[in-house]
Amino acid sequence: KAGVTQTPRYLIKTRGQQVTLSCSPISGHRSVSWYQQTPGQGLQFLFEYFSETQRNKGNFPGRFSGRQFSNSRSEMNVSTLELGDSALYLCASTEQGGTEAFFGQGTRLTVV
Amino acid sequence: QQQVKQSPQSLIVQKGGISIINCAYENTAFDYFPWYQQFPGKGPALLIAIRPDVSEKKEGRFTISFNKSAKQFSLHIMDSQPGDSATYFCAASIGTSYDKVIFGPGTSLSVIP
Repeated sequence: KAGVTQTPRYLIKTRGQQVTLSCSPISGHRSVSWYQQTPGQGLQFLFEYFSETQRNKGNFPGRFSGRQFSNSRSEMNVSTLELGDSALYLCASTEQGGTEAFFGQGTRLTVV
Repeated sequence: QQQVKQSPQSLIVQKGGISIINCAYENTAFDYFPWYQQFPGKGPALLIAIRPDVSEKKEGRFTISFNKSAKQFSLHIMDSQPGDSATYFCAASIGTSYDKVIFGPGTSLSVIP
């Protein structure tokens, strides 16, 4: 089975722009979670989708949004980028009822 | 109440030594405690996990010790090797499904020859 695939791997954006990140989960996994990883804050939960519905949301501003498609692929969008949004964005997929999250390699976003 | 605390923030251990990372939680509803290992440039990967009905779980050189009354759990890496150098995250979740996991802030482990 192919692992979780995140694209792109690296992004450089200018403050004020918006960005869309993509995540393809492991085949058969319907749950996709997104995390922001920074050196100071560790792994922080953004949101989780299951069957195209957002089930949980972390404590992030409304500039952070996401969606999930019928094939379980997910995208997250960040609008009006700020310098503090520079981070590694990780996506994880789990199978229904599973206890292990499988992470992708992440997208490294740099906001300049 | 949802927070998972982790210490130390960074750790340097000599090859062959024992690496110990400690975590603590407040929410007694947590009933699944995984540890994730992350190498540079990679996403975290599940290393070992424990449920509160056991006090210890061992897989190879990695052991989780769990103290339910103190609401603490720790990871011990025996005979630490340079290849163990990575960031380790403890985590906690409620229920058997992985809807949302609370991660600790991480420990950067360096094992020096």
